[in-house]
Amino acid sequence: DADVTQTPRNRITKTGKRIMLECSQTKGHDRMYWYRQDPGLGLRLIYYSFDVKDINKGEISDGYSVSRQAQAKFSLSLESAIPNQTALYFCATSGVPPQETQYFGPGTRLLVL
Amino acid sequence: GQQLNQSPQSMFIQEGEDVSMNCTSSSIFNTWLWYKQEPGEGPVLLIALYKAGELTSNGRLTAQFGITRKDSFLNISASIPSDVGIYFCAGHGSSNTGKLIFGQGTTLQVKP
Repeated sequence: DADVTQTPRNRITKTGKRIMLECSQTKGHDRMYWYRQDPGLGLRLIYYSFDVKDINKGEISDGYSVSRQAQAKFSLSLESAIPNQTALYFCATSGVPPQETQYFGPGTRLLVL
Repeated sequence: GQQLNQSPQSMFIQEGEDVSMNCTSSSIFNTWLWYKQEPGEGPVLLIALYKAGELTSNGRLTAQFGITRKDSFLNISASIPSDVGIYFCAGHGSSNTGKLIFGQGTTLQVKP
């Protein structure tokens, strides 16, 4: 079984709709991250959480919110989806230093019409 | 903030050729990581480097943490068709925020 899982794997939604992407991990890591990937731009950090009570904005947090429901679960919400949020979204987890290597989920492909 | 410049942006090579890609930064990094992403999947860690000058191999892959701590390279020897994918460098900067900074990626295509 995969250590980091994401649901759904694919999603099509309409402008203005609220959607939630979910991430679960079985690695026992404290730290979790949400990234967005667009062609030619690499991975950009949206939000990250170092433990259940910790939430931090990344470089592109506008239009997104997150919830850390438990150590193993970190969800990303688009309150009112817009077309330029069409992208590939990845969740990742890591341990604390020095075990900071991040491990990624399989991704969610989101299309906003 | 800290940034990574990864090059080349893309490569199209013949099977059996060696490949080299690199990442540079204007500031110091404490760790360097190399990931590979295949279509429809998330990035998978290939090699992690933690000390300046460190040279690490993983099969046909070799990566080095530059002495200046501002660069890293990844070499793939004797490429095969399954090496196709996007390769990302990433690193933890000296500010110790815990955030990982990614390069833009190198797309590798291998012709059989």
